[in-house]
Amino acid sequence: GQQVKQSSPSLTVQEGGISILNCDYENDMFDYFAWYKKYPDNSPTLLISVRSNVDKREDGRLTVFLNKSGKHFSLHITASQPEDTAVYLCAAGENQGGSAKLIFGEGTKLTVSS
Amino acid sequence: EAAVTQSPRSKVAVTGGKVTLSCHQTNNHDYMYWYRQDTGHGLRLIHYSYVADSTEKGDIPDGYKASRPSQENFSLILELASLSQTAVYFCASSDAGGGQLYFGEGSKLTVL
Repeated sequence: GQQVKQSSPSLTVQEGGISILNCDYENDMFDYFAWYKKYPDNSPTLLISVRSNVDKREDGRLTVFLNKSGKHFSLHITASQPEDTAVYLCAAGENQGGSAKLIFGEGTKLTVSS
Repeated sequence: EAAVTQSPRSKVAVTGGKVTLSCHQTNNHDYMYWYRQDTGHGLRLIHYSYVADSTEKGDIPDGYKASRPSQENFSLILELASLSQTAVYFCASSDAGGGQLYFGEGSKLTVL
């Protein structure tokens, strides 16, 4: 089954509004959570990440909230702008001794309309 | 300059043919990964490696082999390409397990 899931394939937000992107995961052992941004025909780039020892991390207009008991994390983008329009991929992973891997969700296409 | 480079960037292959996708990184990272991108599936992990001469299966390894001859190089091999393997393939590197991934530009594979 899908270990990391984004239930909303798309989201449309008005310019200046708050975009909220959600991600659910299954594996209790995941200890690293990240959001990547992807433009069409480009490679994904890291936006923001957190380790499991924090519940929240802010970076400019971006905030990640982590709810470990609910196996859920989200990305909030304040003052959304047209250039925020992209596909957002959540990802989660764990260290397994010397082996580790990052599992991605299916992606949410965010459209910020002006 | 790009630290993770993939070749070829685009390829058309025939069904049943052999395809090799190559990835080279100059990040001095131990971890390297191969993902495929399909609409509606995000990125799915095919194979990964955390040390030269060793590879690990990801979530969708069937139909793919991987080779890590050195820290810098990681190849994905399709021995018998099939139509269902048409996709964009991304290579990535990381300096720590579960840490930030640095992606290559992607390789678009079309199997006819």
